[in-house]
Amino acid sequence: SYVVTQPPSVSVAPGQTARIPCGGSDIGSKSVHWYYQRPGQAPVLVVYDGGDRPSGIPERFSGSSSGDTATLTISRVEAGDEANFYCQVWDYGTFHPVVFGGGTKLTVL
Amino acid sequence: QVHLVQSGAEVKKPGTSVKISCKASGYTFLRYYIVWVRQAPGQGLEWMGMMNPRAGSLSFAEKFEGRMTMATDPSTSTAHMELRSLTSADTATYYCSRPTGGTFRLEFWGQGSHVTVSS
Repeated sequence: SYVVTQPPSVSVAPGQTARIPCGGSDIGSKSVHWYYQRPGQAPVLVVYDGGDRPSGIPERFSGSSSGDTATLTISRVEAGDEANFYCQVWDYGTFHPVVFGGGTKLTVL
Repeated sequence: QVHLVQSGAEVKKPGTSVKISCKASGYTFLRYYIVWVRQAPGQGLEWMGMMNPRAGSLSFAEKFEGRMTMATDPSTSTAHMELRSLTSADTATYYCSRPTGGTFRLEFWGQGSHVTVSS
């Protein structure tokens, strides 16, 4: 099945820009969704189809994808953004169509 | 608005089974898949399987095939997931989720059901 990789952690100072990568073979041609999750809570969708945001998600969250890397970008990072972030690929037509990355812990310094 | 409310925490012995329910509201139950995802303590999200309530079609992750059952009860808008032959490795929080759109973004999630497998 399709494999998606994320770095275990990313650190950024408040007010700076965080970029969280998600790697996979030709991931730029696939649909990629991003979720954040705080401890003890269910995941929350923050970006879908590469770069769209659900209602209620700030414009500071954006996504892009090209080649073998998809990226979640969080601008003007706030302390409240500290969470685990997961990318998910929709690998349509396969026996394992929902594929999650291992998750990245965003630490706000 | 869409809500998914899951059954409560369970403690199970190895070798037994657990059944988790997920009651949906705020949308037409038959029109959307239900996806099951689990998360072991301190670990990431793992797709388990999904079901089309209207068609009854099922799709399982390979590691759960033969050990997992999914079913829906449209009369109560409830999805059920049963996992059999439990081991300690099945200790996890289990989530149901409702995808949206053709690319299955998981827009709505239940609150999670924690299952502990211990002798």
